[in-house]
Amino acid sequence: GIQVEQSPPDLILQEGANSTLRCNFSDSVNNLQWFHQNPWGQLINLFYIPSGTKQNGRLSATTVATERYSLLYISSSQTTDSGVYFCAVEFQGYSTLTFGKGTMLLVSP
Amino acid sequence: DTEVTQTPKHLVMGMTNKKSLKCEQHMGHRAMYWYKQKAKKPPELMFVYSYEKLSINESVPSRFSPECPNSSLLNLHLHALQPEDSALYLCASSSPGGTYEQYFGPGTRLTVT
Repeated sequence: GIQVEQSPPDLILQEGANSTLRCNFSDSVNNLQWFHQNPWGQLINLFYIPSGTKQNGRLSATTVATERYSLLYISSSQTTDSGVYFCAVEFQGYSTLTFGKGTMLLVSP
Repeated sequence: DTEVTQTPKHLVMGMTNKKSLKCEQHMGHRAMYWYKQKAKKPPELMFVYSYEKLSINESVPSRFSPECPNSSLLNLHLHALQPEDSALYLCASSSPGGTYEQYFGPGTRLTVT
């Protein structure tokens, strides 16, 4: 069946470190989004990236649709980057988002 | 403006109460969603409205009753809830059809006592 797998499940960083979060998906996609859920529960849109590469400040993302994975890069991490990062995918033939289980990131000062 | 608003932010209700959650967007989106999220889990889809019509109901118990009065508003009516229904309820919206990006509101944190 359709699946979205994220790794690692948990990540602890010192402030200033870089990190890479991975999202593997099981089938062809129409839509792929990365979200950051802050400690208050708000899901913040980071990237809409069904293919290609995008950058926004210290964050960038790459999706290689033919190999069925996406990567989220966080550079020079800050304590405000802490939270849960979700990858969510709309598979072809479906009209809803399937969420991965998330990566819990803790950035310590 | 990419904002979805939800009220209230927090809600505590007894098992015999009736309450409603509200969601509003002014992005011209014609698809709106309710999700439920338990602690340390991803959001789970409950309902989808497309052009003000219910298009997806993910086998949600009838004690949850959605309503879409117009293209900007989405309500979730709650009645006779159970303590296990305590969760974060998230509303989202998106443009209809084809590929689209979903935008989420800040959520309502519901506690059922």
